[in-house]
Amino acid sequence: EAGVAQSPRYKIIEKRQSVAFWCNPISGHATLYWYQQILGQGPKLLIQFQNNGVVDDSQLPKDRFSAERLKGVDSTLKIQPAKLEDSAVYLCASSFGQKLREGWGELFFGEGSRLTVL
Amino acid sequence: TQLLEQSPQFLSIQEGENLTVYCNSSSVFSSLQWYRQEPGEGPVLLVTVVTGGEVKKLKRLTFQFGDARKDSSLHITAAQPGDTGLYLCAGARSSGSARQLTFGSGTQLTVLP
Repeated sequence: EAGVAQSPRYKIIEKRQSVAFWCNPISGHATLYWYQQILGQGPKLLIQFQNNGVVDDSQLPKDRFSAERLKGVDSTLKIQPAKLEDSAVYLCASSFGQKLREGWGELFFGEGSRLTVL
Repeated sequence: TQLLEQSPQFLSIQEGENLTVYCNSSSVFSSLQWYRQEPGEGPVLLVTVVTGGEVKKLKRLTFQFGDARKDSSLHITAAQPGDTGLYLCAGARSSGSARQLTFGSGTQLTVLP
């Protein structure tokens, strides 16, 4: 079974430029998550989708970050304009479900996209 | 602000030693997961604990969920270099019919041969 695919693996940009990350979750997984992981810290949830709807985007800096999952499958995360403090690894994860009746499912993570903002 | 605090933040030990990692919060969680992350990879689930006081064993790893479901510990017996990695706890809470999963700050473990 194919895992969560992310691209690009690495991206270096200058501040004020824009960048986009792509994620393809495991087939059949309804829930998709984008996490930001700064070096030495735990992942911080940016946005959570259930199919193509947003479940939680309370920690997404909406003035510069946007994300979409138009067809309920793959997703893109965009940063525009980037700031120095956006340097981090952006992790995409998926799970089969997220509702109480579906249990507390395992999150499957991709390898991440490492962003360096100069 | 991290809802889940892990300690210690860094731990370096010799092969064969035992260790315990702690995950603490002032919030109650419906379940708690432990993940391990290696450099350049995403976190991988080790275990999920659901019931207060629950203890689960995975070979040399023992996981415990606090009675009040606010804290958890991970104990490794006879650590090996292959145990090296970033250990993350993640607490789950429900918001309506949705689940919110919050990760802790992480414990970086290095096991020296």
